Amino acid sequence: QKEVEQDPGPLSVPEGAIVSLNCTYSNSAFQYFMWYRQYSRKGPELLMYTYSSGNKEDGRFTAQVDKSSKYISLFIRDSQPSDSATYLCAILTGANNLFFGTGTRLTVIP
Amino acid sequence: GAVVSQHPSWVICKSGTSVKIECRSLDFQATTMFWYRQFPKQSLMLMATSNEGSKATYEQGVEKDKFLINHASLTLSTLTVTSAHPEDSSFYICSADPSGQAEDGYTFGSGTRLTVV
Repeated sequence: QKEVEQDPGPLSVPEGAIVSLNCTYSNSAFQYFMWYRQYSRKGPELLMYTYSSGNKEDGRFTAQVDKSSKYISLFIRDSQPSDSATYLCAILTGANNLFFGTGTRLTVIP
Repeated sequence: GAVVSQHPSWVICKSGTSVKIECRSLDFQATTMFWYRQFPKQSLMLMATSNEGSKATYEQGVEKDKFLINHASLTLSTLTVTSAHPEDSSFYICSADPSGQAEDGYTFGSGTRLTVV
């Protein structure tokens, strides 16, 4: 079983839409959950991380963790064409290793 | 902010030859660096953890004799793909932890696209 699973999409939305990206993870002991954004042929860059359960908001982005269902989400409000990228969820293990989901390719259409 | 520089950004090599990829932390020291591989439409897969001054730790299924890692200084780790074959063609990315707080997220290089022909 993979540490984290993510729907690869692709996902296309019109500009201004609310985007919901989701992942599930396997080990209830995981505590750190991260979202990375990756543009084509570039390395990933950290968007947000959350610790344990709950929500975290940063501008138009909200990260949510539901530990009871082992479900993590990223919401993007008022999506912009510049948000078009691949979004990867990741979990940080106790050994400080990052394991990534497959990534969801998002396209925001002007 | 912290920068990780990776070189080359893309390389084409003949089957059977070796290719070296460099990963440098430009404005911080990194005792640990990580090497990932990403196939098209797949996730980044951790290959190995590079430790300055000691042997790298490889993930299960990764051939240590094929993917040689050297971390000779606090700012440089290298990955050498030895006797490369077409199935080694992939996107290789390194990362490092600039803050010492892993939960702050690792900084990634821009990646190296390797094509073996």
